[in-house]
Amino acid sequence: NAGVTQTPKFQVLKTGQSMTLQCAQDMNHEYMSWYRQDPGMGLRLIHYSVGAGITDQGEVPNGYNVSRSTTEDFPLRLLSAAPSQTSVYFCASTLSGGANVLTFGAGSRLTVL
Amino acid sequence: AQSVTQLDSQVPVFEEAPVELRCNYSSSVSVYLFWYVQYPNQGLQLLLKYLSGSTLVESINGFEAEFNKSQTSFHLRKPSVHISDTAEYFCAVSVLSSNTGKLIFGQGTTLQVKP
Repeated sequence: NAGVTQTPKFQVLKTGQSMTLQCAQDMNHEYMSWYRQDPGMGLRLIHYSVGAGITDQGEVPNGYNVSRSTTEDFPLRLLSAAPSQTSVYFCASTLSGGANVLTFGAGSRLTVL
Repeated sequence: AQSVTQLDSQVPVFEEAPVELRCNYSSSVSVYLFWYVQYPNQGLQLLLKYLSGSTLVESINGFEAEFNKSQTSFHLRKPSVHISDTAEYFCAVSVLSSNTGKLIFGQGTTLQVKP
């Protein structure tokens, strides 16, 4: 039982490059989300999805794109990386909203030069 | 809109001493409350949660938190800390009526337990 799997764990990009952070869960969770973690700012929501084919913006969506073609996968795309996107990214999932506990992946550390 | 404020960015404490990590929230609607812990180089994992009922909730490793509605607080306490409690702790809220799986996090508090 893998839980939430994120790849890659580490990535270095140059400004302007694009890339995709992968997130997969094997718990049949309907809800998935992406957060970024920056020092002193906690975790901020980038995008979330309440089911396959449904996505919405969170608090800091600019520069990121998501899609949810299957229940299991929720990739996060950086369209044109900027140094301000240097961060640790966490994917999370939960069975349903509200009181249910989020299960987090181990994180992806991204550096944009 | 909801917001969460963790009043201390770092809390140094000696082993076996008591500790309190403070969390205040702001919301015009009812919320669920959570504490998550992040050990070095790991993801977040749930420590404890308040959904309803008794305002005092406990975790399996000796932490407890008390929901205080009048003061909109959800402070985390442990009577005697261990070196292994060194980690970053996040307070978070989820809107009761929301069905989106979204959490709003505080800024985090780093607990440093010294021998």
